[in-house]
Amino acid sequence: NAGVTQTPKFQVLKTGQSMTLQCAQDMNHNSMYWYRQDPGMGLRLIYYSASEGTTDKGEVPNGYNVSRLNKREFSLRLESAAPSQTSVYFCASSPPRASTDTQYFGPGTRLTVL
Amino acid sequence: AQSVTQLGSHVSVSEGALVLLRCNYSSSVPPYLFWYVQYPNQGLQLLLKYTSAATLVKGINGFEAEFKKSETSFHLTKPSAHMSDAAEYFCAVSEGGYNKLIFGAGTRLAVHP
Repeated sequence: NAGVTQTPKFQVLKTGQSMTLQCAQDMNHNSMYWYRQDPGMGLRLIYYSASEGTTDKGEVPNGYNVSRLNKREFSLRLESAAPSQTSVYFCASSPPRASTDTQYFGPGTRLTVL
Repeated sequence: AQSVTQLGSHVSVSEGALVLLRCNYSSSVPPYLFWYVQYPNQGLQLLLKYTSAATLVKGINGFEAEFKKSETSFHLTKPSAHMSDAAEYFCAVSEGGYNKLIFGAGTRLAVHP
């Protein structure tokens, strides 16, 4: 049981380049999330997916797109990277849509945009 | 809108001393509250959560937190710090029906001999 996996672990981009961050979970969870972590700001929700086939914006969605490919996979795409998107990105998943469910986090992707 | 405030971005304690990490929340509805821990270069893992059952919640690694509605607080404590407790701790509140978490800014705990 790998839990939540993310690829890549590290990435350096130049301004204007695009890339996709991959996330997969093997816990049969319905809900998946993408967060970014910046110093002094905690984690902020970018997008979430309550179930396969649905996605919704979180607190900071600008500059990002997501795809819920199937129940296991939830990808985050940066179409034209900007230095302000330098951050650590975490994917998480949780069981059905209850406010008390624990979220399980992946190890993160550290992204630097030059 | 719900929000979380963690007082103190850095806390330093001696090994064996009491750990107290503060969290205050703002919510117009009964909140569901969480404490997560992040060890260096790792993802977050759940320490404990309050879901309106008991107000004193026990978690992993000897941590516990008490929900105080009158003070809108959910402070995290551990009677005796261990070197392995050095990490960053995040308080979070669940918003809405889709378990969206609103995180505090985090508190980095240092434990010295």
